[in-house]
Parts: sequence; structure tokens; C-alpha cells
Amino acid sequence: DTGVSQDPRHKITKRGQNVTFRCDPISEHNRLYWYRQTLGQGPEFLTYFQNEAQLEKSRLLSDRFSAERPKGSFSTLEIQRTEQGDSAMYLCASSLTGTSDEQYFGPGTRLTVT
Amino acid sequence: ELKVEQNPLFLSMQEGKNYTIYCNYSTTSDRLYWYRQDPGKSLESLFVLLSNGAVKQEGRLMASLDTKARLSTLHITAAVHDLSATYFCAFLPGTASKLTFGTGTRLQVTL
Repeated sequence: DTGVSQDPRHKITKRGQNVTFRCDPISEHNRLYWYRQTLGQGPEFLTYFQNEAQLEKSRLLSDRFSAERPKGSFSTLEIQRTEQGDSAMYLCASSLTGTSDEQYFGPGTRLTVT
Repeated sequence: ELKVEQNPLFLSMQEGKNYTIYCNYSTTSDRLYWYRQDPGKSLESLFVLLSNGAVKQEGRLMASLDTKARLSTLHITAAVHDLSATYFCAFLPGTASKLTFGTGTRLQVTL
């Protein structure tokens, strides 16, 4: 399977703990995006990378959130000191510039903070 | 503010019927995307519309784009139960790279 993959698929954590999610994009895609989706809503943009550079961050991304894409391949999203409001589906997508800008989504990581 | 409004938010329709979902967006764009999401799953790309007047069809679904009216439609012909899902439209304004999504239309096709 050459699609976008995410790990883990589900994460349950206690409030105050740190969590880290991983995303592996489609191999030739240079852009990688993180979105967050809560129940009954559309996905909301968090941040995106072009190669290893983080080019944009949403104001939704508080100081507790950090994302990296160290070698321009996979990316990690870390949430420190989790809060119950962080419970959501975290979606990763990738795309290739110079085409239709179509973004391909991974299966998501569902985070539950208890 | 970048906004996308979809209507209806919920649609219950009988098998065999036709219906249209509407997607209005707030600023000039010629890049509009439709996605399908099944419960608990990720988003599956359905259509990419990249110019005014673009029309694409796949099976019982047809999408169109009117950039002057800032409107896209997703038309369902002779609905079947397998089409039950939530449908999102999203657009990329100008040179932006981040998708702005609508709240989705939850479609339920009943026998």
C-alpha cells in the first residue's frame, strides 16, 4: 500500500500526559499537512510542511503542540500536557506541488484524553 | 474570513431518488474538492474541480463548479444505500495550501 499511513490509529491518554503521532506521506509527495477533526465537524487545518520546512501554523496550534518533519519524509505531531479538549481525530495528508494540489488523507489517529 | 457553507447539513433520501448538495465558499477560488467520509474513517477524495464550469462524474455522483457564483454542487442520481456517508467540500483560495472545509452533509439513503 503506497498511501498515507499514520501511527497509532488510536490513543487513549490521561490528562497531562504527552503524546506523539507519526505520519508517513506518499513517498514522492513534498507537502505534508496536519488537520484536526472533532465530532460532527469538518477537518480544521493545523500546520503544513513543504519538504522539511514548516511553512504555516494555524492559531489553533497552541504552544503545547509541535510538529516536525526532520528529513522531509515522515512527520511527527506532539501534544504536551494533553487536555480533554484535545480529544479529536488527527488527520495527516500529503500532496505534490505542481499538480492539482489534491491532498490525500491518511486513516487518522483518534485521540481520547481522559 | 474563509468560510464554506454546505447545505443541507443532513439529508435523508430514499433509494432511487435524485438530490443536490450545495457548497458555497467565501472567496475567489478555482480549486474545489469533494471528499467522502464513512463513520470513524478518513477522507476519500471524490472530485477535483480546477476551473470555472468544470463538471466531473463518477457513477451516480456528479460535481460542478461555478467560480463566479462561488458555488459547487454535488448531484446524486438514483441514490443507493452504499452512498450513505458524510460528504465534505473544501477549497483552496488563491495561492493558499491549506484546505478550508465545510461542515459536511450527512447523507442517509433509506431502502
